[in-house]
Amino acid sequence: DGGITQSPKYLFRKEGQNVTLSCEQNLNHDAMYWYRQDPGQGLRLIYYSQIVNDFQKGDIAEGYSVSREKKESFPLTVTSAQKNPTAFYLCASSMEQGKSTNEKLFFGSGTQLSVL
Amino acid sequence: GQQLNQSPQSMFIQEGEDVSMNCTSSSIFNTWLWYKQDPGEGPVLLIALYKAGELTSNGRLTAQFGITRKDSFLNISASIPSDVGIYFCAGQYGNKLVFGAGTILRVKS
Repeated sequence: DGGITQSPKYLFRKEGQNVTLSCEQNLNHDAMYWYRQDPGQGLRLIYYSQIVNDFQKGDIAEGYSVSREKKESFPLTVTSAQKNPTAFYLCASSMEQGKSTNEKLFFGSGTQLSVL
Repeated sequence: GQQLNQSPQSMFIQEGEDVSMNCTSSSIFNTWLWYKQDPGEGPVLLIALYKAGELTSNGRLTAQFGITRKDSFLNISASIPSDVGIYFCAGQYGNKLVFGAGTILRVKS
């Protein structure tokens, strides 16, 4: 079955540690996204990539980094510079058509990151 | 930046009741979307709206794209226990989506 797989489901980070969240999709989608979800807030865009080897900062990119070496994979690293990393992280993908129609986002099941 | 005001923040209703929620903005959007998120999972797209005034149904769900393009509402008829979850609206402008803060729906059987 096609879909988006995020791992791990739960992740704990120690002070000063970088951690990487995995996101893989087999939908053959061009575009991939990372969102952060905090209780009582809407989803906020961290980074997005419309094509392999290219990515753009979203609204809250500070303290995060990404790579897009393969079409299927878009890992997110939460660096030690992110001082408040505890949140639910959602990866999504979409088929980019023409100029910009990303509305049909397909989401993974999320990773809950907590700080020890 | 663009912001969406989604209301109500939460609802606690009896099974069988109809539910309404809405999103408003001071900005115009080209597309309105409604997602549902189950606990510990990612959001799933319920309905997409592309034209001002458009009214679209998906089973017991009905959503409308406001005529001013600044709002949208979602109705759920005859709610059932599996309707519980968080409902998000999202508005698209350009190549970006803006999400509302969500409406938490709890259904009492």
